[in-house]
Amino acid sequence: DIVMTQSPDSLAVSLGERATINCKSSQSVLYNSDNRNYLAWYQQKPGQPPKLLVSWASTRESGVPDRFSGSGSGTDFTLTISSLQAEDVAVYYCLQHLNIPRTFGQGTTVEI
Amino acid sequence: QVQLQESGPGLVKPSETLSLTCTVSGASISGFYWTWIRQTPGKRLEWIGYVLYTGSTGYNPSLKSRVTMSVDTSKNQFSLNLRSVTAADTAVYYCTKVADGGLFDSWGQGTLVTVST
Repeated sequence: DIVMTQSPDSLAVSLGERATINCKSSQSVLYNSDNRNYLAWYQQKPGQPPKLLVSWASTRESGVPDRFSGSGSGTDFTLTISSLQAEDVAVYYCLQHLNIPRTFGQGTTVEI
Repeated sequence: QVQLQESGPGLVKPSETLSLTCTVSGASISGFYWTWIRQTPGKRLEWIGYVLYTGSTGYNPSLKSRVTMSVDTSKNQFSLNLRSVTAADTAVYYCTKVADGGLFDSWGQGTLVTVST
């Protein structure tokens, strides 16, 4: 299995400040045949299912504010919230969808 | 817009079988992969497996010996059976639609299943 490890487990950020979440995979999720990173980011608020924010490591989903951005390749990835808003308080997960079984990071809690 | 709704018992006794159904609306179940994912009380997300509208399946090796998934195209539903449950199977179970590339783009609201006597 590909092990996904996020850091930190939690972070507190002031409103308007930057939040950075890291995700490291135990093996590369870059698929050479299509040169795409099979890495996605999800946001989960209390009582709700996870919501897809970023696919293919850096493609923001429709309707996702542009303060969210994903970067990285191979085994190291980052989700950045450029200016934290109150509604961004949530748990964030990375997911690798290259191999079976699909595996998630343990989650990072973002608080104010 | 695709909507998914999980249904099934919220309480299952140890050693029995957990059975859940996901009803899909807003899209035909044909032509897509569908999955089950669970979230433990500690908030960890675990992929259980997938089912295609043809009935083809793939399971997490950690659960493979106990899992069966199936699809009912006439009802636009797919199902999960997990046998011989223990307290470790207590979780919120989500059904999801699989988008191109294998990630999960639409989720049900989830249903809490507790394994207890």
